[in-house]
Amino acid sequence: AQTIHQWPVAEIKAVGSPLSLGCTIKGKSSPNLYWYWQATGGTLQQLFYSITVGQVESVVQLNLSASRPKDDQFILSTEKLLLSHSGFYLCAWSARDNSGNTLYFGEGSRLIVV
Amino acid sequence: GDSVTQTEGLVTLTEGLPVMLNCTYQTIYSNPFLFWYVQHLNESPRLLLKSFTDNKRTEHQGFHATLHKSSSSFHLQKSSAQLSDSALYYCALSPYQGGRALIFGTGTTVSVSP
Repeated sequence: AQTIHQWPVAEIKAVGSPLSLGCTIKGKSSPNLYWYWQATGGTLQQLFYSITVGQVESVVQLNLSASRPKDDQFILSTEKLLLSHSGFYLCAWSARDNSGNTLYFGEGSRLIVV
Repeated sequence: GDSVTQTEGLVTLTEGLPVMLNCTYQTIYSNPFLFWYVQHLNESPRLLLKSFTDNKRTEHQGFHATLHKSSSSFHLQKSSAQLSDSALYYCALSPYQGGRALIFGTGTTVSVSP
């Protein structure tokens, strides 16, 4: 069975400090990977999309960047956090089959920027 | 462009009463995939059910939905609400197989009281 793990679970960071969030998928080769952001009580906003190692497509510009260094790993980062970066970050994967891009989400990383 | 509309932001009801959440979509593609995700408080979204077959009822965990391409709808229903159904529900669209991600609606919060 496939498992998806995100780290850290939660962070409190200062404005202007760097950030790195990670995501690892086990049990699935060559998944499509995604980063989503959710403001408190808000809708799901797709941030990045990756179909393979080294290829990342940005969907929304939020002064964030993403990388896919390995087939099973997806990293979200920024060098300088803004207050507006606070929220719930979700990594998700989908398979390249006939499932219609069914997304499976990780547990999420909750970020508070102060 | 492709879009999903959920008209209710908040639905409040009493335990035991029926639930119906509205979802309509827009796409130029003739074979979309439609999804319902549920997100409980402090958790990540979880797939509830999905469909791509016109006029076929899909059921899971007491919930059901039918994709109607003629009206571009995929409403979620349950005959008797439970306290544990209190959550945020998202309708989502994949316009075609192999797309870049799901397009989410703004979500409907369901609050069930005794």
